[in-house]
Amino acid sequence: DTEVTQTPKHLVMGMTNKKSLKCEQHMGHRAMYWYKQKAKKPPELMFVYSYEKLSINESVPSRFSPECPNSSLLNLHLHALQPEDSALYLCASSQASSGANVLTFGAGSRLTVL
Amino acid sequence: QKEVEQDPGPLSVPEGAIVSLNCTYSNSAFQYFMWYRQYSRKGPELLMYTYSSGNKEDGRFTAQVDKSSKYISLFIRDSQPSDSATYLCAGYGNKLVFGAGTILRVKS
Repeated sequence: DTEVTQTPKHLVMGMTNKKSLKCEQHMGHRAMYWYKQKAKKPPELMFVYSYEKLSINESVPSRFSPECPNSSLLNLHLHALQPEDSALYLCASSQASSGANVLTFGAGSRLTVL
Repeated sequence: QKEVEQDPGPLSVPEGAIVSLNCTYSNSAFQYFMWYRQYSRKGPELLMYTYSSGNKEDGRFTAQVDKSSKYISLFIRDSQPSDSATYLCAGYGNKLVFGAGTILRVKS
């Protein structure tokens, strides 16, 4: 299994809703990542988990809350989002968070905030 | 100055052409360099990665890194319509930093 699976593929939410994005990998990777990608822009790093511990938070607003329940799963909890948070949210994983760090990306969850 | 600079294009070429995609970078800490391909509404997929300076070839794709000039290149030989996508270069020091991506269109 060489895939990173993200659910849901599409999500529409209001500014007062609470929702979660989920990511799963079964490649034995020990680092997992959340990226945000706006239209026609490159992916921007949000969070890095290494060995299930948060190692990088790129000054992301607290309305985004990551969680890594185990080495295969990564969640992104969403609450009180703004319309400008609408984007493609990409999950990625790699064997480690340093060295020859080849990231494998999922297909993304497309989020629309109304 | 952005850490990785990449011309967003679009770059339009006829089928069978040789395509040259280029990036420059400013972060001397980058040790690994990657090229990702992203189709519309999909996640990026890794095409090539290289460590430090040098060339790497994989089928129709060749990646080059020149650390002395901080220049990254990807060459695609015998380009096909299926190569039409956005190509993202990236450098890795302690995190992966992407360029803006170049939109490539290969016309049949």
